[in-house]
Amino acid sequence: GNSVTQMEGPVTLSEEAFLTINCTYTATGYPSLFWYVQYPGEGLQLLLKATKADDKGSNKGFEATYRKETTSFHLEKGSVQVSDSAVYFCALSKTTDSWGKLQFGAGTQVVVTP
Amino acid sequence: EAGVTQFPSHSVIEKGQTVTLRCDPISGHDNLYWYRRVMGKEIKFLLHFVKESKQDESGMPNNRFLAERTGGTYSTLKVQPAELEDSGVYFCASSAGRGSYEQYFGPGTRLTVT
Repeated sequence: GNSVTQMEGPVTLSEEAFLTINCTYTATGYPSLFWYVQYPGEGLQLLLKATKADDKGSNKGFEATYRKETTSFHLEKGSVQVSDSAVYFCALSKTTDSWGKLQFGAGTQVVVTP
Repeated sequence: EAGVTQFPSHSVIEKGQTVTLRCDPISGHDNLYWYRRVMGKEIKFLLHFVKESKQDESGMPNNRFLAERTGGTYSTLKVQPAELEDSGVYFCASSAGRGSYEQYFGPGTRLTVT
């Protein structure tokens, strides 16, 4: 079956540090890949997405590239801010499932200190 | 435009009691999803409505869970009787049409069964 594995948290880093959150997946076919973010007290928000191999999703300084050969979709940001403290979820949706049901990883909590 | 809302935000009940969670999707969104995150693990899909019809309920854990979506508007998720393992955060999400990948999430309902 399909699965998403992401690095465990919490990840604690200082402001302006480089952030990487690893995400790998197992799926049949060619899924679409997503990163969602949950800020404290809020619902999940779509951060970025990629729908085919080699696509790069980007938003708010975050980037992730769909790597089919390594079945990965690692999230990166070059210089984090305190406001980036949140829980980040990697997710996939099978392209054959046009209804868009999402399968998530366990989430990675990121704590950015001043 | 109002986002996805969920009620209550928190619920604490005793084992064996009944709880009903409510989700109001974004107006006009035909797709409504329920997900659950248990004990800091991955967010798992429960079920999916298209308008008032259940499109996919493959993630419902057992027959103690009953979901409805009256008139294709708001949805309720009833747990009866609740068990300790039902504790977690229940998320609702909605999206516009078929093949629409962006799901808009509510803030979640934190359910604690004691």
